[in-house]
Amino acid sequence: GENVEQHPSTLSVQEGDSAVIKCTYSDSASNYFPWYKQELGKRPQLIIDIRSNVGEKKDQRIAVTLNKTAKHFSLHITETQPEDSAVYFCAASKRSGKVIFGPGTSLSVIP
Amino acid sequence: NAGVTQTPKFQVLKTGQSMTLQCAQDMNHNSMYWYRQDPGMGLRLIYYSASEGTTDKGEVPNGYNVSRLNKREFSLRLESAAPSQTSVYFCASTAGNEQFFGPGTRLTVL
Repeated sequence: GENVEQHPSTLSVQEGDSAVIKCTYSDSASNYFPWYKQELGKRPQLIIDIRSNVGEKKDQRIAVTLNKTAKHFSLHITETQPEDSAVYFCAASKRSGKVIFGPGTSLSVIP
Repeated sequence: NAGVTQTPKFQVLKTGQSMTLQCAQDMNHNSMYWYRQDPGMGLRLIYYSASEGTTDKGEVPNGYNVSRLNKREFSLRLESAAPSQTSVYFCASTAGNEQFFGPGTRLTVL
C-alpha cells in the first residue's frame, strides 16, 4: 500500500547548526510533498511544500529537495534556533486528494 | 474566518459507547479529512472527502464512519468505542494544496 517513511525519528542539534530530515514515498503517482511543523499541544501547520515538477525550493532558513526518480525528499533547516524545536511531518499526496503522512521527526535545538 | 473548528475539545467515553466528532470549515474548501494522531505514529488518515457527496477510506478506517453533511461539515462517528481508539483526532480541509487543521479532539476510551 501507500507508505511514507521518515528518518530520523528524533534529532538533536546545537543552536546554529543545520538539521536534515529525510522521507521516502512509495506511490509514484504522488505529485505534492508538503512539510508540517507541530509544536507541543498545537495543530500541524504547513512550513514549506514542493511539487513534483520542481527539484528544490527555498524559503529563508528552510529548503526542500525532491528526487522523483528515487522517490526521496528532504527538509533542510539552516542556522537552527530554539524555536525550531517541534515535531516535523513530511507528507505525500496526489490528485485524488488522499494524503499520507510520515511518522514524524522530533527536533530539539539545544541553546 | 474561524478556519477549521472541531467539537468537542475533550471527551471521555466508556467502551461500547458511541459518539460523533464534529468538524466545520468556513474557507469554501472542497476536500476534508479526518486523522488520528498517536505517539510515534504521526498522523494516520481515517477517511477523507474529496468533494461534497463523496467519501473514501484512508489508512485506518475500521471502527469509524463519516458523513459529509454539506460542503462545510464533515463528521466522524464511533459506533462502539474501543480503548484502541483513544487518540487525538484532527480534522483538516484543503482547496488543493495546503491542509488547514482544526485544533483537535482528545478522546479517551476507558
